[in-house]
Amino acid sequence: DGGITQSPKYLFRKEGQNVTLSCEQNLNHDAMYWYRQDPGQGLRLIYYSQIVNDFQKGDIAEGYSVSREKKESFPLTVTSAQKNPTAFYLCASSIQRGHTEAFFGQGTRLTVV
Amino acid sequence: GENVEQHPSTLSVQEGDSAVIKCTYSDSASNYFPWYKQELGKRPQLIIDIRSNVGEKKDQRIAVTLNKTAKHFSLHITETQPEDSAVYFCASSGGGNNRLAFGKGNQVVVIP
Repeated sequence: DGGITQSPKYLFRKEGQNVTLSCEQNLNHDAMYWYRQDPGQGLRLIYYSQIVNDFQKGDIAEGYSVSREKKESFPLTVTSAQKNPTAFYLCASSIQRGHTEAFFGQGTRLTVV
Repeated sequence: GENVEQHPSTLSVQEGDSAVIKCTYSDSASNYFPWYKQELGKRPQLIIDIRSNVGEKKDQRIAVTLNKTAKHFSLHITETQPEDSAVYFCASSGGGNNRLAFGKGNQVVVIP
């Protein structure tokens, strides 16, 4: 079954802890993205990667980090430096950066407790 | 970077009527404009897209129009049905950064 998978679906974190959100795709897509979704804020770009071993900051990268060691994987780490990490996080991928349909994962809801 | 704005933020329509959502963008180099639909608790999914070499595209009850001079594009839904109720996001890409920038979304409510 092809697609893009995020895990876990729900995640709880204590303040001061780092946490990593997983995103895996078997669509052979080059580009991958991480978005944060808050009520009334739409989809805000955190990081994006156009090719393996390369990634760029989006609009709200502070307090986040990513890696792209494999084409199919683009994990997002929410660090303790992120002041307001509670949100819904969406990962997406596309064949070519920005110019084709982006396919989204089902999202991870992160709650800081 | 690219700035994408959507209007109105919320739209209520009677079943059977038409709904129109408008987006404006700032980067004149953008050349790809998709629309995504997100139902409650689900992931966004592409419903229609348009590239800068055309002015209009239709797919059954859905159409998108593009005005590159004015830097805006619109989603048109005709004969609305209750299952059209969702949040709709516009996006653009193809500018200098080649990244996909989204608007804040429109909540469309179709009243039976």
